[in-house]
Amino acid sequence: DAGVIQSPRHEVTEMGQEVTLRCKPISGHDYLFWYRQTMMRGLELLIYFNNNVPIDDSGMPEDRFSAKMPNASFSTLKIQPSEPRDSAVYFCASSLAGGHETQYFGPGTRLLVL
Amino acid sequence: AQTVTQSQPEMSVQEAETVTLSCTYDTSESDYYLFWYKQPPSRQMILVIRQEAYKQQNATENRFSVNFQKAAKSFSLKISDSQLGDAAMYFCAYRRVPSGSARQLTFGSGTQLTVLP
Repeated sequence: DAGVIQSPRHEVTEMGQEVTLRCKPISGHDYLFWYRQTMMRGLELLIYFNNNVPIDDSGMPEDRFSAKMPNASFSTLKIQPSEPRDSAVYFCASSLAGGHETQYFGPGTRLLVL
Repeated sequence: AQTVTQSQPEMSVQEAETVTLSCTYDTSESDYYLFWYKQPPSRQMILVIRQEAYKQQNATENRFSVNFQKAAKSFSLKISDSQLGDAAMYFCAYRRVPSGSARQLTFGSGTQLTVLP
């Protein structure tokens, strides 16, 4: 079975540019999560979706960040405009409702904003 | 709010030996899930083991086992017969039983494990 797929794996951009991160969850999973990992703050939840609907976006840092899930197999996290402090590893994870709802993570996107 | 504490930023173990990584958590919930994830240099987050709080029996997955002490709010990971491939950052994570919007994982700060040949 294919796991969670993220693209790109690495992104280097200049301050002020728009960045779009992509995620394909595990087929059949109905929850999708976006996490950010930094040295200073560790792993923190940005937003999550249930059946393509955003449920909790309280972790989204500010209006420069937006996330969408147009269908069950695709989600995007967009940063516009990007800033150096956005440099981090961004993870997408998905889970199946019911029981333990273990979250399975993608390989992450390492973002560097210069 | 729930918190997860990993008090050992770094640990090392000799190949083939056993090592235990510590994790404590704080919660007022009676039912929840605990996880250990492994993050090797590739940065991929890999599930190692899962424990349901309502189960008294400690979870085991091959060389990996946990010591779950609910009253003490402790959840340690034991790695037996350590292998070079076990070298990674290990994260302990907590999640309450899914209810409403509270489905996120709360992570500890991680323990970097080095395996010495």
